[in-house]
Amino acid sequence: NAGVMQNPRHLVRRRGQEARLRCSPMKGHSHVYWYRQLPEEGLKFMVYLQKENIIDESGMPKERFSAEFPKEGPSILRIQQVVRGDSAAYFCASSPSGPNQPQHFGDGTRLSIL
Amino acid sequence: EDQVTQSPEALRLQEGESSSLNCSYTVSGLRGLFWYRQDPGKGPEFLFTLYSAGEEKEKERLKATLTKKESFLHITAPKPEDSATYLCAVQTTTDSWGKLQFGAGTQVVVTP
Repeated sequence: NAGVMQNPRHLVRRRGQEARLRCSPMKGHSHVYWYRQLPEEGLKFMVYLQKENIIDESGMPKERFSAEFPKEGPSILRIQQVVRGDSAAYFCASSPSGPNQPQHFGDGTRLSIL
Repeated sequence: EDQVTQSPEALRLQEGESSSLNCSYTVSGLRGLFWYRQDPGKGPEFLFTLYSAGEEKEKERLKATLTKKESFLHITAPKPEDSATYLCAVQTTTDSWGKLQFGAGTQVVVTP
């Protein structure tokens, strides 16, 4: 999984706080994807971004969650007013441009809500 | 509704004991099927992409095949280092091509 960098690896927040998860894609990759893995569940797609554009956010909860991939810097997944149910592993993946390219994953951020 | 189902949920093998994992899918249109392995505490590691029925891909002790309704991941003469959770995912023609839908995975344990 070398190449896609996620930080922090572990994040603890209290209910009501904000969580910011960062993802730096592999060098040369311009497409970023976020997935969530809840305890005892499979990976679920959240959002697909290109630089400065959200392409598909069909998996994002309607409230409290947002994502961005600015022209400069990492992609950010932001969760406002966290609740216990937000506790999960959040994975970022990246790919080069063009269809049918495999997505390469980072090692995730484990978010725990107290 | 699209569905991806993996079986078995868990598999325990002796070293050298070959076996197959199954990934069956029900989708409106398949753009591609992907296999990943995931080690505990790590992100999924890409293994293969398959695009059309009849296609096969191989890498070391792993071989992936695809039919119109399912994919198999064959593990030949496994070693303990093949222990991992194996995930399959589909990309459909009705979703954006960035969206992968994952199965729940098969946890494989290979004992010496």
